[in-house]
Amino acid sequence: NAGVTQTPKFQVLKTGQSMTLQCAQDMNHNSMYWYRQDPGMGLRLIYYSASEGTTDKGEVPNGYNVSRLNKREFSLRLESAAPSQTSVYFCASSESGWGANEQFFGPGTRLTVL
Amino acid sequence: DQQVKQNSPSLSVQEGRISILNCDYTNSMFDYFLWYKKYPAEGPTFLISISSIKDKNEDGRFTVFLNKSAKHLSLHIVPSQPGDSAVYFCAASGRAGGTSYGKLTFGQGTILTVHP
Repeated sequence: NAGVTQTPKFQVLKTGQSMTLQCAQDMNHNSMYWYRQDPGMGLRLIYYSASEGTTDKGEVPNGYNVSRLNKREFSLRLESAAPSQTSVYFCASSESGWGANEQFFGPGTRLTVL
Repeated sequence: DQQVKQNSPSLSVQEGRISILNCDYTNSMFDYFLWYKKYPAEGPTFLISISSIKDKNEDGRFTVFLNKSAKHLSLHIVPSQPGDSAVYFCAASGRAGGTSYGKLTFGQGTILTVHP
């Protein structure tokens, strides 16, 4: 049981480049999430998918797109990277989005945009 | 609009003593509250949660207290150990019908350092 896996672990981009962050979970969870963590800001929700086939914006969706490829996989795409998107990105999953909504997190992707 | 706030960026305690981490919230639609622990270069891991119908939940050395009238929760760690040194995030989940339903809203985090 790998839990939540993310690739890549590190990435350096130049302004304007695009990339996709991959996330997969093997816990048969229905809901998946993408967060970014910046110093002093905690974790902020970018997008989430309450169930396969649905996606919704979170607190900071601008500059990002997502795809819920299937129940296991949820990818985050930066179409034209900007220095303000330098951050650590975490993917998470949960059995459902309601109740205590205990979420399980991946190890993170550290992204630097020059 | 920061709906979940952890006003202490850091806390330092001696091994064996009590650590108390605090969290305030503003949204009365929050129904569940969770604490996560995060080590450097790792993702957050779930620690303990409490429903809004309770005022206390205990799990080993960790106890979470909820004061709904004050919109305040705290995490007590007794006794504190050096391995508890990490960043602690509080988070809240909303009930159906509210904008926070199905999502977690996190505080900024508190860095706990436990000295041997």
